[in-house]
Amino acid sequence: AQKITQTQPGMFVQEKEAVTLDCTYDTSDPSYGLFWYKQPSSGEMIFLIYQGSYDQQNATEGRYSLNFQKARKSANLVISASQLGDSAMYFCAMREQDSGAGSYQLTFGKGTKLSVIP
Amino acid sequence: DVKVTQSSRYLVKRTGEKVFLECVQDMDHENMFWYRQDPGLGLRLIYFSYDVKMKEKGDIPEGYSVSREKKERFSLILESASTNQTSMYLCASIRTGTYNEQFFGPGTRLTVL
Repeated sequence: AQKITQTQPGMFVQEKEAVTLDCTYDTSDPSYGLFWYKQPSSGEMIFLIYQGSYDQQNATEGRYSLNFQKARKSANLVISASQLGDSAMYFCAMREQDSGAGSYQLTFGKGTKLSVIP
Repeated sequence: DVKVTQSSRYLVKRTGEKVFLECVQDMDHENMFWYRQDPGLGLRLIYFSYDVKMKEKGDIPEGYSVSREKKERFSLILESASTNQTSMYLCASIRTGTYNEQFFGPGTRLTVL
């Protein structure tokens, strides 16, 4: 079973509108972290936001917020007031305490390509 | 700012060649990673290293090896490149004890002809 599922291969959003990118995860580990990264066409992975499994409040970073619903195992990224520069691939990822790589390994979803329309 | 650099943005090699991909980070991070990214598959971990001369296999190590002789440098080696290793390769690093971000390099797009 996939550990990270991103069901939207591609999304379109009008400039200045809000958009939600979906991410569901699967883990039995009580301690884990969820990440969102942005990858523009240049290829660099840009860290956007992080949510720890024990964090009580949803993470926010500027126009980015993470809608964390622990019982549903979902960690959707919300981008408010979309800008043309938001057009990119977006990846959801998870770190589990009991993963390999000394608990630092990230497992990535397949990504969502977001296109912002002027 | 943390900086992770990779030796080449684009690389073209021939089948059977030995290929070295270099990654350097300047923030004294103990942990370094090599991922491979393919369309529709996301990023997959090839190898990681948690200290100098230490390495562990990730999810897809076949056909690759790594070297970490110095803390700041982590090399990915394709002993005999094959066309199915044409991909985007991303290096990342993180400090031991921090869990909220991995820092990525700009990526190397490798084409094997």
